[in-house]
Amino acid sequence: ELKVEQNPLFLSMQEGKNYTIYCNYSTTSDRLYWYRQDPGKSLESLFVLLSNGAVKQEGRLMASLDTKARLSTLHITAAVHDLSATYFCAVDASAGGTSYGKLTFGQGTILTVHP
Amino acid sequence: DAMVIQNPRYQVTQFGKPVTLSCSQTLNHNVMYWYQQKSSQAPKLLFHYYDKDFNNEADTPDNFQSRRPNTSFCFLDIRSPGLGDAAMYLCATSRDRWGQCTFGSGTRLTVV
Repeated sequence: ELKVEQNPLFLSMQEGKNYTIYCNYSTTSDRLYWYRQDPGKSLESLFVLLSNGAVKQEGRLMASLDTKARLSTLHITAAVHDLSATYFCAVDASAGGTSYGKLTFGQGTILTVHP
Repeated sequence: DAMVIQNPRYQVTQFGKPVTLSCSQTLNHNVMYWYQQKSSQAPKLLFHYYDKDFNNEADTPDNFQSRRPNTSFCFLDIRSPGLGDAAMYLCATSRDRWGQCTFGSGTRLTVV
């Protein structure tokens, strides 16, 4: 059974600081996703990481994937209040067969950015 | 804009009274998914359709059923909702197994 673990689960940051969220997963995967969720809202796609060594950046967020270590990171640079949200990583482990694109999510990291 | 639309946004149902949640998509995607997200938890896949092929997760309760009458629509039926079924239900689509999922805005179900 695929397990996806994020840490930390709670992150309180000061504006302007940097921090990294980690996502470990337990089995070989084709791809890894990062999503953002605001309270009471649906999931917003942030990044899709498709291969070992993939790095994607959007604004103050940068995501990377190391498939050998089964690890993805979401790095936050110079945090601002608008980044406050819950961040999920999700792993698609449906390699081959008839399992199409099923995602297993990490527990989520609740990020709070304060002045 | 092409999108995934869920109705209603909020649904209140009585304990034991059947309820149906709906999802439609204008993306013409082959795959449609239903996820359940309970408060402060991660989304959990209930089932998905690849075209007309239905795939149920092993631990999805029998109380949950789904229908996909055509490419555009997918329904989630809860036959006898219990208090533990209160959650956000998220519909998602992807073009195929290689495609990125697009999520709808979700339906928040309350059971009273």
